[in-house]
Amino acid sequence: DAGVIQSPRHEVTEMGQEVTLRCKPISGHNSLFWYRQTMMRGLELLIYFNNNVPIDDSGMPEDRFSAKMPNASFSTLKIQPSEPRDSAVYFCASSFRAARMSYTFGSGTRLTVV
Amino acid sequence: DQQVKQNSPSLSVQEGRISILNCDYTNSMFDYFLWYKKYPAEGPTFLISISSIKDKNEDGRFTVFLNKSAKHLSLHIVPSQPGDSAVYFCAASRTNSGGSNYKLTFGKGTLLTVNP
Repeated sequence: DAGVIQSPRHEVTEMGQEVTLRCKPISGHNSLFWYRQTMMRGLELLIYFNNNVPIDDSGMPEDRFSAKMPNASFSTLKIQPSEPRDSAVYFCASSFRAARMSYTFGSGTRLTVV
Repeated sequence: DQQVKQNSPSLSVQEGRISILNCDYTNSMFDYFLWYKKYPAEGPTFLISISSIKDKNEDGRFTVFLNKSAKHLSLHIVPSQPGDSAVYFCAASRTNSGGSNYKLTFGKGTLLTVNP
């Protein structure tokens, strides 16, 4: 298995533009998580899905952020409009309940908003 | 409010010596704890975990200790190797009534540097 695949690896965009981050979880995993890593806050959970259904989005910073999981093999995290304070590394992770919460993370997307 | 705290942003040790990374938590509902290791430009990778019914779990050079009364856990690496240099994240979770996954709450991480 190729693991959790995220794209793009790096994204530089101008303030106000729409940004879409993509994630392909490991086949057979039924939970998907979006995390954001910053120096100030470390790794913080933004949203997670179980069986493609959003369960907890309390970590989504504000309405500019949205996430979807249209099927078991694909998820997107969208920021519209983007702001400089959104600059961070965004990680997607997936897991299977039987694995007792041992997540597998993707390599992340480094977002820079200028 | 940080429910999982790693109060040491960095730690430097000599090769061959013991590395001890500490983590404190505030939520008494947490029943499962994990350590993840992260190299630059990569995602975190699972290292070792411990259930709240245990107080120690060992895997090769890595041992995690859990002190529930103090809400404290630690990761020991013996002996430390230069390849262990990475950021280490402590994470905690609670299992819901259905026994299924629940979200992981991470600390801010500790950068470990092992000097040759």
